[in-house]
Amino acid sequence: DSGVTQTPKHLITATGQRVTLRCSPRSGDLSVYWYQQSLDQGLQFLIQYYNGEERAKGNILERFSAQQFPDLHSELNLSSLELGDSALYFCASSVDQGGYEQYFGPGTRLTVT
Amino acid sequence: QKEVEQDPGPLSVPEGAIVSLNCTYSNSAFQYFMWYRQYSRKGPELLMYTYSSGNKEDGRFTAQVDKSSKYISLFIRDSQPSDSATYLCAMSDDSNYQLIWGAGTKLIIKP
Repeated sequence: DSGVTQTPKHLITATGQRVTLRCSPRSGDLSVYWYQQSLDQGLQFLIQYYNGEERAKGNILERFSAQQFPDLHSELNLSSLELGDSALYFCASSVDQGGYEQYFGPGTRLTVT
Repeated sequence: QKEVEQDPGPLSVPEGAIVSLNCTYSNSAFQYFMWYRQYSRKGPELLMYTYSSGNKEDGRFTAQVDKSSKYISLFIRDSQPSDSATYLCAMSDDSNYQLIWGAGTKLIIKP
């Protein structure tokens, strides 16, 4: 158990809908990272927050947004969902903003029908 | 050309064999090198973390970095069926907060 929690574990929704994925980092970690992993694909970095502020942006679509709250938990919002958004979404956390040692949560499996 | 190249496999070896997993990279500024293990549809787990060049050992696992060749390796001794997973390399430099990931190598250890 990495200490990173993600909810929900599974999510099934229809095209065009909006969903919110939630992540709680390990105790003491200030950075949160979001990744997307499609079936048999590598990890695609989406975005990083450090102590409430956006630090780095990867291949995140404009339909997707994230934020980190004062208690350091983070939410990833996915809107106008398409079939191609079906994937595993992982959250990771690290102590500092360097991100060299990231600890991953169990993921949220999103299925868009 | 991708910044980090990793053979996707699958790599299939018999139980007890020594496994060698590798990544090559193009950015000479990379200083931080990580290996993660991912079981099917689970979150990646940090296995090894190395700064700059050299070797690092942890139990049956050894991570090796050769910056002159831009090549990193993970060796697994006395491989077990429970080592069957996808192994991902990741790396970064001093100025970038973003890890650059390899595609992952699928490893199968046959009993």
